[in-house]
Amino acid sequence: SIELTQPPSVSVSPGQTASVTCSGHKLGGMYVSWYQQKTGQSPVLVIYQDKQRPSGIPERFSGSNSENTATLTISGTQPMDEADYYCQTWDSTSGVFGTGTRVTVL
Amino acid sequence: EVQLVESGGGLVQPARSLRLSCTASGFTFGDYAMHWVRQAPGKGLELVSSISWNSATIVYADAVKGRFTISRENAKSSLYLQMNNVRAEDTAFYYCAKGMGAPRTQLWLPFDYWGQGTLVTVSS
Repeated sequence: SIELTQPPSVSVSPGQTASVTCSGHKLGGMYVSWYQQKTGQSPVLVIYQDKQRPSGIPERFSGSNSENTATLTISGTQPMDEADYYCQTWDSTSGVFGTGTRVTVL
Repeated sequence: EVQLVESGGGLVQPARSLRLSCTASGFTFGDYAMHWVRQAPGKGLELVSSISWNSATIVYADAVKGRFTISRENAKSSLYLQMNNVRAEDTAFYYCAKGMGAPRTQLWLPFDYWGQGTLVTVSS
């Protein structure tokens, strides 16, 4: 099944833009979801179908997906956005998560 | 309000068995796919098993195939994971997650609600 690779960490200053990438073979042909997990908490869906936001998710979260890379973008990053972020897709019958990225707001 | 509450975790010896449960409320349980996702301490997320709304489609991760069994009782709004012949590498938090989308649709959709998780520790 597909392997999804993410950078281990991303650092961003408050108010700046953070970009988290997720790479996989022909990922652009699949739908990608993104989950936020704060320390000690359960994951929360923040993006689905590449770029759709569930209700209650701030507009500063956006997503894109093309060719072999999906990207989660956090615009105007806030301290509360500090968390681990995981991409996820379905490869035929296998649900696959990315390796995870720790976003640190310095 | 959608709620998913896992139970049944704890300390179990290698090669023994354990049964996890997830009780759902706040939505029509029998209309949605359900999933078990685990996370070893300090590690990433791993999809363990998934079951469609009518139990017609069931999938397992290769790491648990032949040892774990997922099931559901729609009348009780409950999801289960029977874990047999457990190994040290099965030590993790186990989350119950609800599949997204319209009622009675495909399995291969995102997970829109998650429980708080139950910790399974495999050790002698």
